[in-house]
Amino acid sequence: GDSVTQMEGPVTLSEEAFLTINCTYTATGYPSLFWYVQYPGEGLQLLLKATKADDKGSNKGFEATYRKETTSFHLEKGSVQVSDSAVYFCALSDPYSGYALNFGKGTSLLVTP
Amino acid sequence: DSGVTQTPKHLITATGQRVTLRCSPRSGDLSVYWYQQSLDQGLQFLIQYYNGEERAKGNILERFSAQQFPDLHSELNLSSLELGDSALYFCASSAGQGRNSPLHFGNGTRLTVT
Repeated sequence: GDSVTQMEGPVTLSEEAFLTINCTYTATGYPSLFWYVQYPGEGLQLLLKATKADDKGSNKGFEATYRKETTSFHLEKGSVQVSDSAVYFCALSDPYSGYALNFGKGTSLLVTP
Repeated sequence: DSGVTQTPKHLITATGQRVTLRCSPRSGDLSVYWYQQSLDQGLQFLIQYYNGEERAKGNILERFSAQQFPDLHSELNLSSLELGDSALYFCASSAGQGRNSPLHFGNGTRLTVT
């Protein structure tokens, strides 16, 4: 079935560093792609999404571009803050499961002052 | 605040027992999804309901069942519990069930089976 693979963490960065978290997908059709963030003790929050090729999702300084040619949806941020420390999940919508989201394993990010 | 409410927040029970987890979706959302999050399996989709009807099944065990009621709240029933069922159980809701309807998650119920 449709699936996503994201880079394993943990990722540790200094404040103001550049962030990239890689995500690639395998799908038979053209799924929508999402990034979710999970802060400790909380549920997942939608960070950004893209619904078709070449779409760029952006929110709170984070960006990701839907690349059909490389089947990728990498998450980037130019300057991370300590408050960005969380677990980040890449996901795609699976039309064969009622558009439930198939998630990657998650990437833990720790930003140090 | 996502608007999705899950109760209880924590649940501790013994092997062989049965528990019920409850979810109230965001106002107006018709779809409810249940997920299990564990360290080894990550986030696993269990089951989806749309306006009271089951629409999709994922990796849900036969010991588990769910339903969505006319007021759109949903319950996940877990029976004959095993140690391996210890996990975080999330409910999510969305307005529709299409590819452009993002899921909004509750804060989860942490189940511990002893």
